[in-house]
Parts: sequence; C-alpha cells; structure tokens
Amino acid sequence: EAGVAQSPRYKIIEKRQSVAFWCNPISGHATLYWYQQILGQGPKLLIQFQNNGVVDDSQLPKDRFSAERLKGVDSTLKIQPAKLEDSAVYLCASSLVTGSKNPMFFGSGTQLSVL
Amino acid sequence: AQTVTQSQPEMSVQEAETVTLSCTYDTSESNYYLFWYKQPPSRQMILVIRQEAYKQQNATENRFSVNFQKAAKSFSLKISDSQLGDTAMYFCAFMKPPTELTFGKGTLLTVNP
Repeated sequence: EAGVAQSPRYKIIEKRQSVAFWCNPISGHATLYWYQQILGQGPKLLIQFQNNGVVDDSQLPKDRFSAERLKGVDSTLKIQPAKLEDSAVYLCASSLVTGSKNPMFFGSGTQLSVL
Repeated sequence: AQTVTQSQPEMSVQEAETVTLSCTYDTSESNYYLFWYKQPPSRQMILVIRQEAYKQQNATENRFSVNFQKAAKSFSLKISDSQLGDTAMYFCAFMKPPTELTFGKGTLLTVNP
C-alpha cells in the first residue's frame, strides 16, 4: 500500500514570506496529524484532524499557522508570515481511526529553512 | 503533562553486537502506551515496537525487545544482532489515549562495520 505522501521535500524562504505544505494520507485513513520537528528534538503535534474536522489544535500558533483538510483526504499546512524559529521538518502522519491501537504512519516530511 | 527523557544523545555499536537505548518518562496516568520509533536519514518515522502499560510482558519484534519497568517508569530498547541498516535516530514516545503522543529528544545510533 502507498505510504503518506508529502511535498515539497525541501523549502527555503525568507522570513515574513508565506509557505504551504501538502500531505496525502494513506487511503482510507480518517485521522491525519501535522507535527513540527525542530532540529535536535522530537516531533511536536501541531494539529490533528478526524476526517475533515479538527480534533486538537491546541499547540498550533494560530496567528501564523493554518491547516485544512478539505473533503477529509488531503491536507495543507500554511505558515504566513514565516519566522526564523519556524525552521524545522514538518511531518504528516495518518492512522486508520483515532485510537492508540491503530498505528500511526508518517511521511518523509518537508524540511523548511527560513532565512 | 507527560515528559519523556532520553539521556543518551548518541550511541554506537559494532555490527552484530547488542545495544540498549534508555528512556524514562513521567506521568500520572495509569493507562498509556509506549513506543519506539526509528527515523533514518530519509526522515520518515517508522514504528519499531509498542508496549501497552497494562501488559506486564515485555514486547518483542524480531531483533528488537523492550525492558518495561512500570514502577520505575523506564522503557529501554534492546537491539540484538545490530545491522548497518539500524543506523538512525531512535525516539521514545509516550501516548496518553486516545492519541496524545509525546516524543523524547532522540538517540542517534550508529552501527559500525
């Protein structure tokens, strides 16, 4: 089965610019997650969707970050305007349904560099 | 809130030998899950092994096994017969059901030929 697809793989922008990342989860997976992984740290959850509804966005900096999952399939994460501290790898993950018995599958991430 | 501590930023092991990666966590929850994830240079997080807190038996997956000490809040990963392909960052993670996942900072494991 195909894995979680993410694009682009790399992105370099200047501060105050905007950027968008795209994620296509595994077919049939209802739950989708966006994680931010800063260099030298483990991933941190930004937002979780169940189908096209938001389950948890408590750690999403809503003044600059936004995410949507139209039609409950693909998802886009946007940063506007970007700051230097947003430099990180942005990982998308999906699982069949919400629940710890269902394994979470990760994509290869988008590495963002903000100059 | 939960915290996960991996005290070994880097480790190395010779091919075919055994290595143990340490992880401790802090929580007041009684029902939770623990995971080890592997992140190779491709950046994709790959699930290595999972342990349910209510199970006393340590989980095993082929060459990978854990030593789960619930009272001590310790969850170490043992890799037997290390292979070059095991070279990666390894993250310990704690899950508060249903999906609140907290990662440690990771341990970089290098397997030397």
